[in-house]
Formats: sequence, structure tokens, C-alpha cells
Amino acid sequence: GQGVEQPDNLMSVEGTFARVNCTYSTSGFNGLSWYQQREGHAPVFLSYVVLDGLKDSGHFSTFLSRSNGYSYLLLTELQIKDSASYLCAVRDPNYNVLYFGSGTKLTVEP
Amino acid sequence: NAGVIQTPRHKVTGKGQEATLWCEPISGHSAVFWYRQTIVQGLEFLTYFRNQAPIDDSGMPKERFSAQMPNQSHSTLKIQSTQPQDSAVYLCASSLGGPQDTQYFGPGTRLLVL
Repeated sequence: GQGVEQPDNLMSVEGTFARVNCTYSTSGFNGLSWYQQREGHAPVFLSYVVLDGLKDSGHFSTFLSRSNGYSYLLLTELQIKDSASYLCAVRDPNYNVLYFGSGTKLTVEP
Repeated sequence: NAGVIQTPRHKVTGKGQEATLWCEPISGHSAVFWYRQTIVQGLEFLTYFRNQAPIDDSGMPKERFSAQMPNQSHSTLKIQSTQPQDSAVYLCASSLGGPQDTQYFGPGTRLLVL
């Protein structure tokens, strides 16, 4: 199976940054995806990483270390509207199924 | 592109009744996934179709739950004899079907079993 772990909550301040951590222990690995989910809405795709290192996508960046089973999503120049839950999901290598963490609720304060 | 469409958006059923949820994938997408989301369990995989064929239903409860994809434009998830613990948001996602293709989620159906 796929054990995917995330902290429940994270708080940060407008204009600064936030790092959302994700650790996983898997029986296989075909990449890790990050989604943003607002209350009452569907998860929205942000990023997919399969190789080690930092992937810079502007406002969102993602890092992966496969040997450590670790990824993070970095949000810079935070805005109030970045307040949402952020979900990481490991992709099964045999099928295309995503195994999700419980999500980290990010609160951005003024 | 309308995205993944799910109907109904909300459904309330009495215990023991049947509930059928519909999903229309993005046009051209060959893979359809069903997930269930609750506060306690988070977002859990249920079942997966590719080119209308069932590929993996390892997340489906063995009793009362069934899913079908009779054509490329829609899939259904049926829950027989609903129980209060079935209350959840049921999410459908679709993708182009490749091993690294993004899954795009619909808005979900919020099911409440009284």
C-alpha cells in the first residue's frame, strides 16, 4: 500500500512563504502530485514531480527526494487567497491510481 | 471544455435506499477514477476504468457498491442499501490515460444518508 503523511495545519503570514511537507512510504512509486482544494470544491491540480530536485513553477515550487520519501510544496509571496487545503498524492506504478495524504490546511493571515 | 461533470451535486437518502451517482469525463479522456472523501478518512480511491474497462476496483467496498462505464461519456457509481457511514463526497476524475497524465476532478456529489 501507500502511506502518505501530511501535517494537518499550517499557518503563515501574507507576503511571506509556506512549505507544505509530505512524506510517503510506498510499495512502488510513479511520481507525486500536489492539489489545492478549497472548502466545498474539487481538488485542483498544481504540480507533478517524478525526478529528484526542485521544480520551480513560479508561485508554487515542488521538491522531491525519492531516497527519503519526502516532498514539499513551497508557496512564495503568500496571499490571503492561498488559504486552502493542499493535498499530496503518490501515483501507483502499476495503475494510475493516486493515493492521497489527509491534506494540510494552510491559513494565511494578514 | 466543461471539465468533469458530476450529478447530482447533492443527494439525501434514507438508510436502506439506493443511490446512483453519475460522472461525465472530459471529452477525449480514456481513464475515469472514482474517489470518496470524508473528514475522517480523507480522499480514498474506489475504482478505475480505462477505455470503459474496469482496471482496478481494490478500493471498492465488496458489498453494496458497484460501478459501471457503459460508454465513453459517462460512468455511474451505485450504492445499494445505503448506510449512514456511506455519507461522503464522491469525486470523479478523468485523465488521458497515460501513466503520468494529470487527473482532473469533478465538483463531487455530496451524499448524506439519514
